[in-house]
Amino acid sequence: DSGVTQTPKHLITATGQRVTLRCSPRSGDLSVYWYQQSLDQGLQFLIQYYNGEERAKGNILERFSAQQFPDLHSELNLSSLELGDSALYFCASSVEAGVSETQYFGPGTRLLVL
Amino acid sequence: KNQVEQSPQSLIILEGKNCTLQCNYTVSPFSNLRWYKQDTGRGPVSLTIMTFSENTKSNGRYTATLDADTKQSSLHITASQLSDSASYICVVSARLTGGGNKLTFGTGTQLKVEL
Repeated sequence: DSGVTQTPKHLITATGQRVTLRCSPRSGDLSVYWYQQSLDQGLQFLIQYYNGEERAKGNILERFSAQQFPDLHSELNLSSLELGDSALYFCASSVEAGVSETQYFGPGTRLLVL
Repeated sequence: KNQVEQSPQSLIILEGKNCTLQCNYTVSPFSNLRWYKQDTGRGPVSLTIMTFSENTKSNGRYTATLDADTKQSSLHITASQLSDSASYICVVSARLTGGGNKLTFGTGTQLKVEL
């Protein structure tokens, strides 16, 4: 158990809908990262937050947005969902945002768009 | 374009044997290289992290090497066990202007250890 929690574990929804994925980092970790892993594909970095502020942006679509709240939990919002958005969404956390920080991954949220 | 390529794509070995996984990258400016182990359907778990000045790092039966000149890394697994069956992902970090870093993930090597 990494100490990072994600909810929900599984999510099934329809195209065009909007969903929110939630992540609670390890106690004391200030940095949160979001990743997408599609079937048979590698992890794709979406976005990073550090202490409430956006720190880095990866291949995140305009239909997706995220935020980190004062209590350091983070939410990833996915809107106008498409079939291709079906994937595992992982959240990871680290103490700082430094280059050598170990990232601890949560168990993921499996999203299925029908 | 920052890229991380891993080989082989998949590998089947007998329990007790050794194996070596390869990672080539073109990420720049290089910050560090990590190897992760990911069991199916679960989050990746960090095995090693190496910075530019480090050329080898061990974690139990896992030994990672880094050649920053040729931009290659390898992960050597000794005396494999059934529990080593997983996807092994090479991740290279690039420094971002203004701070922070961006991780580029390889697509992984799927390792299966059999009796």
